[in-house]
This record gives sequence, C-alpha cells and structure tokens, in this order.
Amino acid sequence: AQSVTQLDSQVPVFEEAPVELRCNYSSSVSVYLFWYVQYPNQGLQLLLKYLSGSTLVKGINGFEAEFNKSQTSFHLRKPSVHISDTAEYFCAVSAISGAGSYQLTFGKGTKLSVIP
Amino acid sequence: DAGVIQSPRHEVTEMGQEVTLRCKPISGHNSLFWYRQTMMRGLELLIYFNNNVPIDDSGMPEDRFSAKMPNASFSTLKIQPSEPRDSAVYFCASSRPGTGRSPLHFGNGTRLTVT
Repeated sequence: AQSVTQLDSQVPVFEEAPVELRCNYSSSVSVYLFWYVQYPNQGLQLLLKYLSGSTLVKGINGFEAEFNKSQTSFHLRKPSVHISDTAEYFCAVSAISGAGSYQLTFGKGTKLSVIP
Repeated sequence: DAGVIQSPRHEVTEMGQEVTLRCKPISGHNSLFWYRQTMMRGLELLIYFNNNVPIDDSGMPEDRFSAKMPNASFSTLKIQPSEPRDSAVYFCASSRPGTGRSPLHFGNGTRLTVT
C-alpha cells in the first residue's frame, strides 16, 4: 500500500518570499501525483498533477512541483507568495492497488500562512 | 460546468436524528467519492462508486452510515442515528473515467454539527 508524508503541518512565510511545501511518498509501483489546495470553507481544488513526461510541472497561481523518483518526492514551490495563497495544501498519490484498481491516498495537509 | 453540488451546506441536528447529505456530481463523471474531514483525522475516504456501483466502502465507520447512488447524477450519504462524534465536514467528489490519472473535483462540503 502507498503512503504520503507531508513533512510540515504548518508553514508561515512572509509575503513575496519563496516557499516550498514538502511531500514524500512510498509506493512499490508507478504513481500519479497531485497537489490540491483548500481555501477556508471550500472543497479541495486541483493545483497541479504529474502523470508522465517532464518531471517539472506547472500549475495554477504560479505554483510548480518537481517529481523526483529517486527521492520519492513531489515538493511544491512558489518563488513569491501572495496573501491570497494562505490555504491548506494536500499532496496525493494515485497508484494501482493489490486488488487491481487505482487507490488515491492524501497526505495530512500543510497549512500555509502568508504574513503581510 | 456547474461543478459538484452538495446540499445542504450546513446541517445542525440533535443526537439520534437521521441526517441525509446529498451530492450531484459533474455530468460525465463516472466515479463518485464521499470523504469526511476533521481536525483530528484529516481527510478520510468513506466510500466510492464507479458507474453507480459501490466499489469500496471499507472507510464507512459503522452501520449507522449508508450511501446510495441511484443514478449517475445523484448520491446520498445517510447517518442514522447520528452521534456528536459524527460532526465533521463531509465532501463529495467526482472524476472522469481515467484509471487513476483523473483528478478529483470536490464540492464545497456539508458542515455537519450533531449536538
């Protein structure tokens, strides 16, 4: 079974500073990787995804993530954050399970607080 | 694309009462998921359907919880009887057929408070 670890539960950062939210996963098979963002009182929405090809993927709102197979990581980065980026961010891994169907596993989330 | 629609947005009920949460997935999506989110346990998958058929309900906490999907455009999650520990935000999500590649589209959730 796969697992997802988001190493930081909370990340405070000053406005216009860069940020990296870390995500590591474990899986014995090939994976698809996702980052979702949840704003207060809303559902999760897709930020970006890695399915195949280039290991650097770009998403909405200036975010990007890099898939590193050897490190089993998929860290999320933004060079300059804005107040509106304050939200909770979830990393998710999709991999085929022993039963032959795909299973999606979410990390526990990282709360990003942007300080003016 | 109207997105995934959940109702009600908020539900306050007394312990022992029946609660029904509703979800309308995005048209054309054939997978539907019910999640529960709490501060203590984070995001938990309760059950998911493919083509209206329940595939995995191992996350349903106990027999008080039941879910149905009578057709491709509607699903319900029912709790009977409700208990204070059921208080949480319940999310419905849907996705296209895609063998694990398709992202989930979430509704805005139903915040359930059981007193």
